[in-house]
Amino acid sequence: GQQLNQSPQSMFIQEGEDVSMNCTSSSIFNTWLWYKQDPGEGPVLLIALYKAGELTSNGRLTAQFGITRKDSFLNISASIPSDVGIYFCAGPNNAGNMLTFGGGTRLMVKP
Amino acid sequence: GAVVSQHPSRVICKSGTSVKIECRSLDFQATTMFWYRQFPKQSLMLMATSNEGSKATYEQGVEKDKFLINHASLTLSTLTVTSAHPEDSSFYICSAEGAGGLDEQFFGPGTRLTVL
Repeated sequence: GQQLNQSPQSMFIQEGEDVSMNCTSSSIFNTWLWYKQDPGEGPVLLIALYKAGELTSNGRLTAQFGITRKDSFLNISASIPSDVGIYFCAGPNNAGNMLTFGGGTRLMVKP
Repeated sequence: GAVVSQHPSRVICKSGTSVKIECRSLDFQATTMFWYRQFPKQSLMLMATSNEGSKATYEQGVEKDKFLINHASLTLSTLTVTSAHPEDSSFYICSAEGAGGLDEQFFGPGTRLTVL
């Protein structure tokens, strides 16, 4: 089946630093979604990407849909303590009846 | 934005008992809801797709007789973990699909199940 590989698995950074994480797949995805999960909560959608090459921002977050449609990255600028959480990439499977999730990137921010 | 609630948020039970978890879409109707399980430090794993008025579709390896799903209305799906055992302890999360389809899934806050 389709798999999404996220890296890094975890990051421990200083407040104010920029963060970059990515998601790759061996197969093409037509939509890339980035979610954030706070501890003990459900995921919340941050950014949705629908076109190859698309670059979309949401506040301090920026995400890009790779040209090959096999990868995507998420950047967070000037990190703050509330950015702590797990970031997941996800995309619809080929059948379009379920989302495939990456393994997640756990972000920790030191004040 | 659309809101999905789950109840209870946390439950602790003895081995052998059954536990029911409710998932409600509060301000929209959802023909399709999804149930996920998440173990510590792991990703979300889809358990089943719940369709209003019809039988749920279970993912490979998920026992349908153990994890009973009922989607009786357009705003409510329930997951019942029957005869729960300690290995069923996990974080269960539901999501409801909005009008935008798969791309528009709204997740509940999750239910932490601990089986003693």
